[in-house]
Amino acid sequence: QKEVEQNSGPLSVPEGAIASLNCTYSDRVSQSFFWYRQYSGKSPELIMSIYSNGDKEDGRFTAQLNKASQYVSLLIRDSQPSDSATYLCAVLSYGGATNKLIFGTGTLLAVQP
Amino acid sequence: DGGITQSPKYLFRKEGQNVTLSCEQNLNHDAMYWYRQDPGQGLRLIYYSQIVNDFQKGDIAEGYSVSREKKESFPLTVTSAQKNPTAFYLCATGQGNQPQHFGDGTRLSIL
Repeated sequence: QKEVEQNSGPLSVPEGAIASLNCTYSDRVSQSFFWYRQYSGKSPELIMSIYSNGDKEDGRFTAQLNKASQYVSLLIRDSQPSDSATYLCAVLSYGGATNKLIFGTGTLLAVQP
Repeated sequence: DGGITQSPKYLFRKEGQNVTLSCEQNLNHDAMYWYRQDPGQGLRLIYYSQIVNDFQKGDIAEGYSVSREKKESFPLTVTSAQKNPTAFYLCATGQGNQPQHFGDGTRLSIL
């Protein structure tokens, strides 16, 4: 069973701090990794994609990928109360002609004003 | 306006009743997916379809059925065999190794 693991949290950070969200995955051949943000009662929205080792920055968000360690993380700089949400890590699993996205259970982030 | 449209937003099911959730997309994506999300839980895959007239079971297909007669449409039927249908249902589309994008979801409850 291919798995994606996340700490469920809640992760509480003060406003303006850096929030660090972590994710590990079991399928070594995974090539595509995504972070989604989900507000309570809403559907997930994509905030970051990363495909190769290293860092990828987009505004206040930085995704980090280490395939050797099977580890992907999301850093949120200058955290705002509006960043309070559940963050889902997702890994694309290849199965012949079929690609399936495997989701972690999510980390709840609470940014304290 | 491009996107994924799920309807209805809220749905109530009576005992012994089948209900159908609609998912329509105009993104021209080949693949479509149905997920179920329970409170405080991650997303679990119910069914997916890579091409028209073909679909595969996901991890929790029992009590559900789907069809894919058109590229744009992937309706999900929650049958009376699904004994615990109360959940948030999400439809998504995808293409190759690109990320999936989600509709706004349908919240199903039991009357």
